[in-house]
Amino acid sequence: EVQLVESGGGLVKPGGSLRLSCTASGFIFSDYNMNWVRQAPGKGLEWVSFISSSSFYIYYADSVRGRFTISRDNARNSLYLQMNTLTAEDTAVYYCARVGSRWSYWGRGILVTVSS
Amino acid sequence: DIQMTQSPSSLSASVGDRVTITCQASQDIRHYLNWYQQKSGKAPKLLIYEASNLETGVPSRFSGSGSGTDFTFTISSLQPEDIATYYCQQYDNPPFAFGGGTKVEIK
Repeated sequence: EVQLVESGGGLVKPGGSLRLSCTASGFIFSDYNMNWVRQAPGKGLEWVSFISSSSFYIYYADSVRGRFTISRDNARNSLYLQMNTLTAEDTAVYYCARVGSRWSYWGRGILVTVSS
Repeated sequence: DIQMTQSPSSLSASVGDRVTITCQASQDIRHYLNWYQQKSGKAPKLLIYEASNLETGVPSRFSGSGSGTDFTFTISSLQPEDIATYYCQQYDNPPFAFGGGTKVEIK
């Protein structure tokens, strides 16, 4: 069974940093591209970042470029999102999502709250 | 960047009604469009991929059509369990933008 489990969320002060992790199981992690998608409270879905299976291709939304860094460790079946210089606008549930031929599998999400 | 314009933002319909949601891309995205259902407090669930292909296990009352810039999502007969917010998403080129969402309620 494919599983994606996010961790590392929580409360952080404005200007602070946080590192999210997404641990994958039930499939060959190194075969798949991965994404981070977020959803602010009461708002719609916002794509955040993409990383290809080998980490060769990486893309970011304009809203996070220069502050967030996506990475992966295929040996550990893990995806990461390093988030720096956080603001209140980054408060959201963050989902990791697997991309094969379809965006079929998503984690349950992890809440990040940026507040003083 | 490609912008996705989804309409309406909300709708109210009766059980058994046909429901239609549209999504317009600001440029040609070929057929690289997903439709998702999101229930309160849950992760999005893929319903339709490549504009018109039904994801495995999804009821056949859900369907999608379109290509290029104009897309349509249809629920042929609305059921109580279909209450949710629906999103389109383009994945032709990054950034992989989502539409603003359509909240579907029962009248």
